[in-house]
Parts: sequence; structure tokens; C-alpha cells
Amino acid sequence: AQSVAQPEDQVNVAEGNPLTVKCTYSVSGNPYLFWYVQYPNRGLQFLLKYITGDNLVKGSYGFEAEFNKSQTSFHLKKPSALVSDSALYFCAVRDGGGGNKLTFGTGTQLKVEL
Amino acid sequence: GAGVSQSPSNKVTEKGKDVELRCDPISGHTALYWYRQRLGQGLEFLIYFQGNSAPDKSGLPSDRFSAERTGESVSTLTIQRTQQEDSAVYLCATRQTSGNTIYFGEGSWLTVV
Repeated sequence: AQSVAQPEDQVNVAEGNPLTVKCTYSVSGNPYLFWYVQYPNRGLQFLLKYITGDNLVKGSYGFEAEFNKSQTSFHLKKPSALVSDSALYFCAVRDGGGGNKLTFGTGTQLKVEL
Repeated sequence: GAGVSQSPSNKVTEKGKDVELRCDPISGHTALYWYRQRLGQGLEFLIYFQGNSAPDKSGLPSDRFSAERTGESVSTLTIQRTQQEDSAVYLCATRQTSGNTIYFGEGSWLTVV
């Protein structure tokens, strides 16, 4: 069975500082990895994905993530956080070997303060 | 349509009543998912449809839950004899057959009182 772990319930960062939101995964086939963001009382918005190729993927709003196969990780990063980045972030994995189900982590609340 | 559309956006129902939630997929998206998100929690997979193939119902929590979809059109999620623990946001998401990215609707917020 596939799974995703987001070890931090909440991450606090000062505006202008770099941020990292951690994610590790477990899947039997090749991992397809995703990050989504959820603002209060809204649905999930797609940020970025890793399917194949370059391990560093860039997405919306200046976010990027690095796929590390040996550590089975896909941490989300941004060089300089904004207060408007404060939201709930979800990491997700799908089995690229033919699985259809997208399995989500429990989410990490990012709080960016002035 | 431009995005995944869900209705109703909010629903308050009495315990024991049946509810029906609707999802209009993005045009051309053959794959459709339903997820449940309880307050302060992550996303729980419910069911997956792909074209005319048999759906993956492995996430439905009980026989009170059912979902329908004809071809690549609208899907409905039905909850019979609602219970208070059914209170949650029900999220629909769709993707293209050969695509990898799943796009979510805004959700249907269900409150059972």
C-alpha cells in the first residue's frame, strides 16, 4: 500500500526567510509526487509535480520541490516566504506503475509571520 | 467547463436524511475521484471512476455511501441515513486519461445536525 508522511503538523517561518515543508513517501512502483495548497474554506490547488526527469521541479508562486529517491522524500521549498503563503499544504503520491489512487499526507499548516 | 464544479457548496441536513452531492468534471476529463476531508484532517479517498470501467469503490466507508457516474459526465455521491460523523467536506477531483495532474473542485461542505 502506498503512503505519505508529513511529519510536521505546523511550520512557522518569518517573512523573507526560506521555508521547507517535509514529505516522505512509500510506493511500490515509480512515484508520481504532487504538492497541493489549501486556503481556508477552499478546495485544493495544484502547486507542482514530479513525474520523471530533473529532480528539482519548479511550480506556482515561486515554490519548488526536490525529489530524492534514496531518501524517498519530496520536500517543498521556497527561498523567501510571504505572509500570503500561509495555508495548509498537502503532499500526495500515486503509483506510476499503473495505480490510479492519489494518496495524501495529513497536511502541514504553514504560518508565515511578519 | 473551466474547472471542476461541485454543488451544493453547503448543505445542512438532519441526522437520518439522505443527501446527494454533485460533481461536474472539467470537459474531457475521464477520471473522477471523490475524497472526504473531516475538519482538521487530511483527505480520505472514497471512490474513483475511469470512463466506462468498473469504479474503484475501495474507499467507501460503509454501504450508506454510493456514487454514480455515466461515462465522462456528471457524478453524484449519495449518503443515505446520514450520521453526525458524516459531517465533512466532500471534494471531487478530475484528470485527463493520459494526464497526471488532478484538479479539485471547491468542495461540498456537509453538516449533519
